[in-house]
Amino acid sequence: KAGVTQTPRYLIKTRGQQVTLSCSPISGHRSVSWYQQTPGQGLQFLFEYFSETQRNKGNFPGRFSGRQFSNSRSEMNVSTLELGDSALYLCASSRDRAADTQYFGPGTRLTVL
Amino acid sequence: GENVEQHPSTLSVQEGDSAVIKCTYSDSASNYFPWYKQELGKRPQLIIDIRSNVGEKKDQRIAVTLNKTAKHFSLHITETQPEDSAVYFCAARSYGGATNKLIFGTGTLLAVQP
Repeated sequence: KAGVTQTPRYLIKTRGQQVTLSCSPISGHRSVSWYQQTPGQGLQFLFEYFSETQRNKGNFPGRFSGRQFSNSRSEMNVSTLELGDSALYLCASSRDRAADTQYFGPGTRLTVL
Repeated sequence: GENVEQHPSTLSVQEGDSAVIKCTYSDSASNYFPWYKQELGKRPQLIIDIRSNVGEKKDQRIAVTLNKTAKHFSLHITETQPEDSAVYFCAARSYGGATNKLIFGTGTLLAVQP
């Protein structure tokens, strides 16, 4: 079974731009969570999607948003990029909301200049 | 809010020695505690996990213990090898009602010296 995939793997943007990242979960997995990883803040929860609905949101500004499609693939969007948004963005999938084991994708490395 | 503290932040051991990483969580509703290993430039990989109804779990050289009363859980690696060198993250899952998220510790950089 293929693992979680994320595209693109690397992105370079400038301040003020917006960006869309994509995550394809493991086949059959319906829950997708997103995390931001930075050296200073570690791994921080962004949001969780299940059945095309955002179920949880972490403590991030409204510039961070996402969505999930009927095939469980998910996208996250960051608008009006700031230098501090430079990070590794990881998504993780699990079978459903009750399933506790999450499997991570390789991440998208976003650099904001 | 929910919080997970992890110690130490760095740990250097000699090959063959044991390594112990400790975490403390704040949310008493947490019911699942995974440990992830992240090598440089790679994704976090689940190495072992424990649920709140179990006190200890072992998988070859790796073991995890959980003390629900004290809200502590620990990772034990025995007979360490150079390939164990990585950053290790503990996490606690809060699940119930609308909540379903992993709260991560700040990570431990483990260096195994050959």
